[in-house]
Amino acid sequence: GAGVSQTPSNKVTEKGKYVELRCDPISGHTALYWYRQSLGQGPEFLIYFQGTGAADDSGLPNDRFFAVRPEGSVSTLKIQRTERGDSAVYLCASSLMGSGGPRMQYFGPGTRLTVL
Amino acid sequence: AQKVTQAQTEISVVEKEDVTLDCVYETRDTTYYLFWYKQPPSGELVFLIRRNSFDEQNEISGRYSWNFQKSTSSFNFTITASQVVDSAVYFCALRLTNSGAGSYQLTFGKGTKLSVIP
Repeated sequence: GAGVSQTPSNKVTEKGKYVELRCDPISGHTALYWYRQSLGQGPEFLIYFQGTGAADDSGLPNDRFFAVRPEGSVSTLKIQRTERGDSAVYLCASSLMGSGGPRMQYFGPGTRLTVL
Repeated sequence: AQKVTQAQTEISVVEKEDVTLDCVYETRDTTYYLFWYKQPPSGELVFLIRRNSFDEQNEISGRYSWNFQKSTSSFNFTITASQVVDSAVYFCALRLTNSGAGSYQLTFGKGTKLSVIP
């Protein structure tokens, strides 16, 4: 079946602009995650959704970052007043949930955001 | 808080050589999962293996093998007879298995870039 998809694959914007990044998880996966990967670093956790609600948003760096998942499927990561430091690859992952917690996380190809 | 350290930033080997990628982790929890992911130039993270903290048995899968030693908090990854297609960035990661905070987020190391030279 189809894997996690993310759009756009690349996004170039100017400092101060607003951007939206989209994630389409694997069908049936109730859990969805956003990670940010800066150049030369490993992915860092941003936020986790269980269904429609954000169960943990402790990784969001500040209040310019916000994410939604209104119908429990597609999620949108929103960044306001972008700064050059926001430039990174934004990765989305999804998983099933088991009795012992989340199952394997499957990652999408990422969106490379460049803020000029 | 959890921490994963991959001390090797970059490694270059000649094709057919064996190579070991090191991973050391820190956590106060007694139950957790350890993972290895591969990130080829295309950018997508590819899952390689998951190991439960209760299971210290080493594992071999084809040319890949993993050595988990809880006593030294290490989870090393060896590629035997390396091939050019193995060239990628490899990440070690940890996830807690309790039901509280952090049990769903992966904590990654900074990655090791492996270059296999023909």
